Amino acid sequence: AQTVTQSQPEMSVQEAETVTLSCTYDTSESNYYLFWYKQPPSRQMILVIRQEAYKQQNATENRFSVNFQKAAKSFSLKISDSQLGDTAMYFCAFMRGSGNTPLVFGKGTRLSVIA
Amino acid sequence: NAGVTQTPKFQVLKTGQSMTLQCAQDMNHNSMYWYRQDPGMGLRLIYYSASEGTTDKGEVPNGYNVSRLNKREFSLRLESAAPSQTSVYFCASSEQLLAKNIQYFGAGTRLSVL
Repeated sequence: AQTVTQSQPEMSVQEAETVTLSCTYDTSESNYYLFWYKQPPSRQMILVIRQEAYKQQNATENRFSVNFQKAAKSFSLKISDSQLGDTAMYFCAFMRGSGNTPLVFGKGTRLSVIA
Repeated sequence: NAGVTQTPKFQVLKTGQSMTLQCAQDMNHNSMYWYRQDPGMGLRLIYYSASEGTTDKGEVPNGYNVSRLNKREFSLRLESAAPSQTSVYFCASSEQLLAKNIQYFGAGTRLSVL
């Protein structure tokens, strides 16, 4: 079975600074997808970024980027120029196989952006 | 676009009562999912439906039943609610089209069982 570990239950960052959230996973699959979801106080789950395991290039979405280390099974999220609206729970998630299968989530990291 | 719609948003039950959580998506997705979120636990899969007419158990299926009524709707039923089922429930749907494999979530249902 796949597992996803987020080792930082809580983090804080000053506004406009950069922060990195850690995620490691365990799998024997060769094909898979990785995701970061954001959950603000509204409770809505919002996709931040996705990465296909077969792609070596790290995904980027505006201020959000990942550091995908396949051999180390590591998938960290970097948020640049942090904004107050980035305050949320962040979940790392794994999808096995060729896709369209259930997500396995980490326990989350609560990020607070401080003015 | 409505996306994934869950009803109700909040519900309080007494132990032993039954209820059905409704979920509908308007994106013509084949796959639908039910997760529960507990403090400090992340989201855990209860049941999923890879396509209309099929359902499979997830990590925490005990005490729940599901029905894939049609391609749009996927309901979750609690036959005899227990305090351990107090949680926030999320429905999601996904489509493999274009290999994006993105799951879209509803707004969640907060359920309290007293």
